[in-house]
Amino acid sequence: EADIYQTPRYLVIGTGKKITLECSQTMGHDKMYWYQQDPGMELHLIHYSYGVNSTEKGDLSSESTVSRIRTEHFPLTLESARPSHTSQYLCASSARDRLDEAFFGQGTRLTVV
Amino acid sequence: KNQVEQSPQSLIILEGKNCTLQCNYTVSPFSNLRWYKQDTGRGPVSLTIMTFSENTKSNGRYTATLDADTKQSSLHITASQLSDSASYICVVSDRGSTLGRLYFGRGTQLTVWP
Repeated sequence: EADIYQTPRYLVIGTGKKITLECSQTMGHDKMYWYQQDPGMELHLIHYSYGVNSTEKGDLSSESTVSRIRTEHFPLTLESARPSHTSQYLCASSARDRLDEAFFGQGTRLTVV
Repeated sequence: KNQVEQSPQSLIILEGKNCTLQCNYTVSPFSNLRWYKQDTGRGPVSLTIMTFSENTKSNGRYTATLDADTKQSSLHITASQLSDSASYICVVSDRGSTLGRLYFGRGTQLTVWP
């Protein structure tokens, strides 16, 4: 089983609150990713990072932001949560020489009420 | 436009039966194709990966095939078990970018009944 962890697993929060979804991996992977997945739909890339101090936006526009201060840590922040942000957020990582082999965390199910 | 299409969208089978899931893709240039299993509320877990030159690959009761000419793949599950109930996602990677971009299908939701 991959060593990539996400917390919390489930989160219910009110509109307007600031939240941070945590993602950590112990595999020393350079590449990390955040995906958004709605029920029955495909995963959409919203952020990725090539390494420390590197962050890029993905294919799907997102109001969230990310940071990569340490190799093992890639948190995602929503400054002001809205009901439209309700979704499952999946974090993944991959090694420098295996860009296509992504290991996924268990996900955070976010509900904004 | 790079796409990955999976069929059927959902499938119900009885425990012990076999089933086959389909994946068609238009991703180019092709790098590899991977099948993931995603349990409800969890992240995807890799089952198999195949490159351009590989036609078939097995992982226990899971056997994946790839026809790179027709851009089709299938995942065959034999002697299904209740624990096989999950979403099975086909993911295709391209060689066109340093990111090794991944293209995800919407998945086939498999339910195994006792």
